[in-house]
Amino acid sequence: DTGVSQDPRHKITKRGQNVTFRCDPISEHNRLYWYRQTLGQGPEFLTYFQNEAQLEKSRLLSDRFSAERPKGSFSTLEIQRTEQGDSAMYLCASSFGRSEAFFGQGTRLTVV
Amino acid sequence: DQQVKQNSPSLSVQEGRISILNCDYTNSMFDYFLWYKKYPAEGPTFLISISSIKDKNEDGRFTVFLNKSAKHLSLHIVPSQPGDSAVYFCAVAGGGADGLTFGKGTHLIIQP
Repeated sequence: DTGVSQDPRHKITKRGQNVTFRCDPISEHNRLYWYRQTLGQGPEFLTYFQNEAQLEKSRLLSDRFSAERPKGSFSTLEIQRTEQGDSAMYLCASSFGRSEAFFGQGTRLTVV
Repeated sequence: DQQVKQNSPSLSVQEGRISILNCDYTNSMFDYFLWYKKYPAEGPTFLISISSIKDKNEDGRFTVFLNKSAKHLSLHIVPSQPGDSAVYFCAVAGGGADGLTFGKGTHLIIQP
């Protein structure tokens, strides 16, 4: 098992474009989380799935943000109509139940 | 309002000495506490955790102490090594929140 994998590592997009990020969790983990981290801050929780069910999405930053986890395996995070304020590191993590979460290397988004 | 505070943005320690990183939290309902280490351009790496039923947990050079009455958490690294230079994040779980709540981090610098 190679840990949590995120793709792409870097994404540069023009303002107004849509972007989608992918996360492959550790295979035996049933929970998958998305976080956002900006400069000088700790990671900020966005949403999480237990298997394929999205159990918390009220912390998504706006209705431009959405996440899916079809079949309870990989997950995608989509940002529609990107804005410059969306520039950040987007982190995915997985865990088994409430145990410690393991993070991927993140996707660095730059909106120009 | 910050629920998790790491009041030292940076800390410099001589190699071989003890590093002590501190974290304060506001919600007494938090019941699980973690420390993560982060290198630039990588995701956070899990270090050590402690549940609210304990006051100390050790793993090799790393020890976490929990003082529930003071709502205070600390991480001790003994002896400090050059590879320990990184940003350390305190994170908490529970209190009705589904994801982890992170502090802003402390940048630890180990000097030779």
